[in-house]
Amino acid sequence: GQQVMQIPQYQHVQEGEDFTTYCNSSTTLSNIQWYKQRPGGHPVFLIQLVKSGEVKKQKRLTFQFGEAKKNSSLHITATQTTDVGTYFCAAIGGEYGNKLVFGAGTILRVKS
Amino acid sequence: GAVVSQHPSWVICKSGTSVKIECRSLDFQATTMFWYRQFPKQSLMLMATSNEGSKATYEQGVEKDKFLINHASLTLSTLTVTSAHPEDSSFYICSAEGFPRMVRSYEQYFGPGTRLTVT
Repeated sequence: GQQVMQIPQYQHVQEGEDFTTYCNSSTTLSNIQWYKQRPGGHPVFLIQLVKSGEVKKQKRLTFQFGEAKKNSSLHITATQTTDVGTYFCAAIGGEYGNKLVFGAGTILRVKS
Repeated sequence: GAVVSQHPSWVICKSGTSVKIECRSLDFQATTMFWYRQFPKQSLMLMATSNEGSKATYEQGVEKDKFLINHASLTLSTLTVTSAHPEDSSFYICSAEGFPRMVRSYEQYFGPGTRLTVT
């Protein structure tokens, strides 16, 4: 099936360190969404980015949408153990049409 | 608001039997519901899109006769895994888009998922 490229696949950080996950698409997107899935849980919507070059912040989380609307990043400042989980980007538009196409996800583990 | 429930949350069945999974939007009308499948440590793969009152649209490689989807009302969609086999064991998650659909707003609300184990 279709999938958006997302890296890294896995990251293990010390509590207090920063974390970043990146998504890349070969097609120009309408918008991109970010979800968090805790172990054993279901994806929970975090944010949606629509505008070229958009930057949004939620406390320690910073989300960016590239100028070309083909890539996006999620950056967490000073990670905490509560940040543990898998972070997925999900893209709409371009060759994906109206379907929400998920990235492979980045698993974040935080050592206290 | 925007709560989606799924039932059952987990099910174990024998090979060859059929299993029905329900997805309900509890406090909004869902014109479109989506069914995803997630294998351990993998991403969500869209299986099909269902619109109320019409046939579901299946993704390439998903057998429509094996995964029967019914979207009979604006608050309920069902996925039936027919003649289940061990390779069908997975985490099945539904999501719903609300009505009225906001322009440029494609937020989907996910259900808690159903873990299916076929023995």
